[in-house]
Amino acid sequence: GENVEQHPSTLSVQEGDSAVIKCTYSDSASNYFPWYKQELGKGPQLIIDIRSNVGEKKDQRIAVTLNKTAKHFSLHITETQPEDSAVYFCARREYGGSQGNLIFGKGTKLSVKP
Amino acid sequence: NAGVTQTPKFRVLKTGQSMTLLCAQDMNHEYMYWYRQDPGMGLRLIHYSVGEGTTAKGEVPDGYNVSRLKKQNFLLGLESAAPSQTSVYFCASSSPMLTRGGEQYFGPGTRLTVT
Repeated sequence: GENVEQHPSTLSVQEGDSAVIKCTYSDSASNYFPWYKQELGKGPQLIIDIRSNVGEKKDQRIAVTLNKTAKHFSLHITETQPEDSAVYFCARREYGGSQGNLIFGKGTKLSVKP
Repeated sequence: NAGVTQTPKFRVLKTGQSMTLLCAQDMNHEYMYWYRQDPGMGLRLIHYSVGEGTTAKGEVPDGYNVSRLKKQNFLLGLESAAPSQTSVYFCASSSPMLTRGGEQYFGPGTRLTVT
């Protein structure tokens, strides 16, 4: 499958500030866009996802926006806390694609400084 | 529920040795996946399975084999380990995309070093 470009690769913010991570893709057949959080020494954990029929989704301090025309989607974390420090991965899945296979971005290491 | 479990957690192999990584899930998921994670490369799919007795190649299948003899287990084998296979390996499982959402749940990983 085609790659997902994720930016930035590292992000450092002060506690309480917002953090934004952006991913772009080129395959217009993509219809599902999850975000995973990976803490040190652990497996990735799904934190939020969005499907192609929705433009925005929120869950407390986390939100994801999707612009299908421009083929990009973003993760927004507000009022960041030190426990938000982790590596975040975006991913995409193709409509009708191989049994739900995901194509991942290369990750963003978020550091929240107290 | 334990979710997705992986054994072993750590392993050191010498070049040419073989080993099998075991993944087990208790969520009755039809689909299972093996990924490898390397610094700066994100997660790359090695092999996957859409049901008991079926397997298919992912993005980076060379040097690996898999088997899905039982629905709850997915085995990843390295027949002749090479230093390039030093990585962290993650297993994941999901229900079919079109039914119960298809979210993938990951195990805690196996850190493999090949010397």
